[in-house]
Amino acid sequence: QKEVEQDPGPLSVPEGAIVSLNCTYSNSAFQYFMWYRQYSRKGPELLMYTYSSGNKEDGRFTAQVDKSSKYISLFIRDSQPSDSATYLCAMSEGTSYDKVIFGPGTSLSVIP
Amino acid sequence: DTGVSQDPRHKITKRGQNVTFRCDPISEHNRLYWYRQTLGQGPEFLTYFQNEAQLEKSRLLSDRFSAERPKGSFSTLEIQRTEQGDSAMYLCASSLRDRGDEQYFGPGTRLTVT
Repeated sequence: QKEVEQDPGPLSVPEGAIVSLNCTYSNSAFQYFMWYRQYSRKGPELLMYTYSSGNKEDGRFTAQVDKSSKYISLFIRDSQPSDSATYLCAMSEGTSYDKVIFGPGTSLSVIP
Repeated sequence: DTGVSQDPRHKITKRGQNVTFRCDPISEHNRLYWYRQTLGQGPEFLTYFQNEAQLEKSRLLSDRFSAERPKGSFSTLEIQRTEQGDSAMYLCASSLRDRGDEQYFGPGTRLTVT
């Protein structure tokens, strides 16, 4: 079993839809959870980071962490064609322990 | 543009040749990381530096790989005697100390070994 699992997709939604992206993990020591967006042939771009359980909102993006279920989610409201990219979840045990483990990514297409 | 630059962006080399990549991090960031990413996978950690000190190396970093950050600014990643399995995107990221959860990535160097 991989440490971080993510449905690879591809996920295709119409413009304006609410998108739900999810990751599960096995290491209960993970405390920091990040979401990155990666456009084709580009480096990953940090979208959001959260500590421990709970929700965090930033514009159209909401990150949720449920440590009891070892499950994290990213919701995108009012999705736009410019949101079409691969979304990577990532997590680490702490900010001073710098080994970040990435999921394989979910490919998202938002159709105009 | 995150402020992290990598050079070259693309490299095609023949099996057995040596290659070297460069990364210039965000200037105030004292942590620098190298990752490798293959198609359909997330980045895999290779190594990281705090200033000029290399603090951790992944078991993925075989003896043919070496990384340096001589003055605590830019870093180089060298692969000796390249193999076809080395074909991948090599990503560099940087962060402030103790902010490993907030890493900023460069555009990557895509290596193709023929």
